[in-house]
Amino acid sequence: QQQVKQSPQSLIVQKGGISIINCAYENTAFDYFPWYQQFPGKGPALLIAIRPDVSEKKEGRFTISFNKSAKQFSLHIMDSQPGDSATYFCAASGGTGGFKTIFGAGTRLFVKA
Amino acid sequence: DAGVIQSPRHEVTEMGQEVTLRCKPISGHNSLFWYRQTMMRGLELLIYFNNNVPIDDSGMPEDRFSAKMPNASFSTLKIQPSEPRDSAVYFCASINHGAGDTQYFGPGTRLTVL
Repeated sequence: QQQVKQSPQSLIVQKGGISIINCAYENTAFDYFPWYQQFPGKGPALLIAIRPDVSEKKEGRFTISFNKSAKQFSLHIMDSQPGDSATYFCAASGGTGGFKTIFGAGTRLFVKA
Repeated sequence: DAGVIQSPRHEVTEMGQEVTLRCKPISGHNSLFWYRQTMMRGLELLIYFNNNVPIDDSGMPEDRFSAKMPNASFSTLKIQPSEPRDSAVYFCASINHGAGDTQYFGPGTRLTVL
């Protein structure tokens, strides 16, 4: 019930391409779905987040698509750049868990120049 | 703002020794989280505090681990005695409930237990 399943584990994309990372959750009480970006040697940092009352949120080249009925959400990175190479984590929180955040396993993205 | 501060950044110790990791959350933040990150298990929540009170410690692996938050600006995670399987990167994160749900992570402490 508390899991967040993330795929793929790793992703290689050409510069300028679209990177897509998918996540699925089980707990319908979750009400906050952030994506974090982590560079080597650094802590995760919030990239973009969405609440279940909207189906899409876009910030620059980054878009979250949210499907409440399927309990799935995804991150799309348009015009992927080598500087986007990092590990991306989806996460979920809310409901009876309060601010306890459940993280996906992470996706290592490499953008080839 | 200096962000979340963790110390030390790197710690190498021998099995059986006591290890203390320290965290200073962002001023004004009212919840603090301790995570452990490994290749095998990913990012695991160990414990979190709200207004200095431990709320959920279900992720603490065993009695060798303990965490305290004596005041709003300081927390410690202690491992006694340490074991090689405790080797990981430990992150501290803080959040301001009144300003949204974003967790701000520190730079982490890389712990190696020999």
